[in-house]
Amino acid sequence: RKEVEQDPGPFNVPEGATVAFNCTYSNSASQSFFWYRQDCRKEPKLLMSVYSSGNEDGRFTAQLNRASQYISLLIRDSKLSDSATYLCVVNIEGGGFKTIFGAGTRLFVKA
Amino acid sequence: EAQVTQNPRYLITVTGKKLTVTCSQNMNHEYMSWYRQDPGLGLRQIYYSMNVEVTDKGDVPEGYKVSRKEKRNFPLILESPSPNQTSLYFCASRKTQSYNEQFFGPGTRLTVL
Repeated sequence: RKEVEQDPGPFNVPEGATVAFNCTYSNSASQSFFWYRQDCRKEPKLLMSVYSSGNEDGRFTAQLNRASQYISLLIRDSKLSDSATYLCVVNIEGGGFKTIFGAGTRLFVKA
Repeated sequence: EAQVTQNPRYLITVTGKKLTVTCSQNMNHEYMSWYRQDPGLGLRQIYYSMNVEVTDKGDVPEGYKVSRKEKRNFPLILESPSPNQTSLYFCASRKTQSYNEQFFGPGTRLTVL
């Protein structure tokens, strides 16, 4: 089993749709959680950090459930420019300071 | 401009010919890391460094070496490249605390024939 697992995708949605991505992690030493966005084999860029209390940034909402080891990302009112691969990322502290990426979920937003 | 730079951006080489991919950051970050990205597998961590002269293995360190003699530089060395090291490589840096954002370089596309 992979340490960080994401929905395999791809997700194909129309403009204006709401789309949700799910991610689970297995390492109990996981300390920090993020969603990164990657465009077409370019470098990943931070979309948002994920906090236990949940956090929102405009059309994007991230949730963390430590008990279930589950992370989510909700995108409301999808735009064409949201088309990208979304990466779930976990930083581990304990037995090292590694960063583990999920394989990513590809999103296509169509007009 | 705050950035992470990598060189070269593209490289085609042959099996067994030693190569080095350079990485440099100008943000005074303590933590630096190398990743490789392969289709269907996502990014996998090769090595990371918490600070100068402190390096540790990630999940896929076999066939790679790193060094951290200066805070800003973190080169990736392939002593004897093999075709299974053909991949897209990213260098990244962040401040020490794990809740900090990682900043990535533009990537190096390596092909080993």
